[in-house]
Amino acid sequence: NAGVTQTPKFQVLKTGQSMTLQCAQDMNHEYMSWYRQDPGMGLRLIHYSVGAGITDQGEVPNGYNVSRSTTEDFPLRLLSAAPSQTSVYFCASSSSLEKLFFGSGTQLSVL
Amino acid sequence: GQNIDQPTEMTATEGAIVQINCTYQTSGFNGLFWYQQHAGEAPTFLSYNVLDGLEEKGRFSSFLSRSKGYSYLLLKELQMKDSASYLCAVSPWDNKLIFGAGTRLAVHP
Repeated sequence: NAGVTQTPKFQVLKTGQSMTLQCAQDMNHEYMSWYRQDPGMGLRLIHYSVGAGITDQGEVPNGYNVSRSTTEDFPLRLLSAAPSQTSVYFCASSSSLEKLFFGSGTQLSVL
Repeated sequence: GQNIDQPTEMTATEGAIVQINCTYQTSGFNGLFWYQQHAGEAPTFLSYNVLDGLEEKGRFSSFLSRSKGYSYLLLKELQMKDSASYLCAVSPWDNKLIFGAGTRLAVHP
């Protein structure tokens, strides 16, 4: 049972480049979300989804897009990367909000 | 707005008991959560409180007072492997979970 799988684990981008962080879960969870984690600020919610075809904004959505075409996948897109988006990104899923399962994280650096 | 406060760092001795406090001010309340995060790893779920009182789970217990906007995580019989960050999180309404900045706990021999 793989759980929540995030790729890549590490990524370096130049300012203005675009990329997609992949997230997949095999637990048939309806709820999926993306967080970023910065030193001293904890985890901040970027976007979330309560099911296929449904997405909504979290605390810090600007600069990020998401889509949920299947229950399993919830990719996060950076259309034009900025240094302020340097962070560690975590994808999480759950069957209810009571217990989130997190992926192993993506460390992103934007130069 | 939403505000969750917890101490930045704590230290404790192996075998001892430590209490990590969390206070919150949120526009709604659907539950309070504690997660553990070892350095360089993903957070893992520890506990969930939605009603006032103490929830015990082995060496870890979590307490909630909704009227005071207050929770604590109690770790007993501390072990070196308990050195980690402990994240307090509140669900202010359905489908959102807001995290505090975390408390970094160092356990010394």
